[in-house]
Amino acid sequence: DTGVSQDPRHKITKRGQNVTFRCDPISEHNRLYWYRQTLGQGPEFLTYFQNEAQLEKSRLLSDRFSAERPKGSFSTLEIQRTEQGDSAMYLCASSLGTGNNSPLHFGNGTRLTVT
Amino acid sequence: SQQGEEDPQALSIQEGENATMNCSYKTSINNLQWYRQNSGRGLVHLILIRSNEREKHSGRLRVTLDTSKKSSSLLITASRAADTASYFCATDAPGGYQKVTFGIGTKLQVIP
Repeated sequence: DTGVSQDPRHKITKRGQNVTFRCDPISEHNRLYWYRQTLGQGPEFLTYFQNEAQLEKSRLLSDRFSAERPKGSFSTLEIQRTEQGDSAMYLCASSLGTGNNSPLHFGNGTRLTVT
Repeated sequence: SQQGEEDPQALSIQEGENATMNCSYKTSINNLQWYRQNSGRGLVHLILIRSNEREKHSGRLRVTLDTSKKSSSLLITASRAADTASYFCATDAPGGYQKVTFGIGTKLQVIP
């Protein structure tokens, strides 16, 4: 169990640029989540995958955001035409199981700064 | 939107004292979880309590759940400086998949 891995750890980009983040979940985990966290706040749900299927997408995600999980393994989160309001920590988490009692395992996040 | 609300938002105690954090939520739940987050890091799962449970222990942690009041508390006994972190409660609603929603957190500082 090598844990959930996120890459990069930090990303600084200029407004209007596109960015892509990667998340590698724990290998046998079938569920994968993306959250966004700003300073002093709790993580806010963005989207959820069960295997390769994206089952829910938060209204927080504008059409500039897209997430994929090809083959139910790693996931990518892309933000197009970044805005300063996108600056935040983007957290990925995974869990195992089909029930509702599985703890989430988080990566250390990607901190995005849009200048 | 965030389901839970922790209280207090910040707590400062001396090492060796107990720390109590409360969480209130709005809708019915399957279970409630507590997570810890050190600055600049991801969250770490501490404990999960099911909706039909009232109390659970894990080491120095004690969690209670009152579904009639839609509230939970996390007690950390004999606190240590290493317990300094933010603590979040998280809930997921019955039915469907496990969409986990977090509160805004309690920032705990344990002074050595």
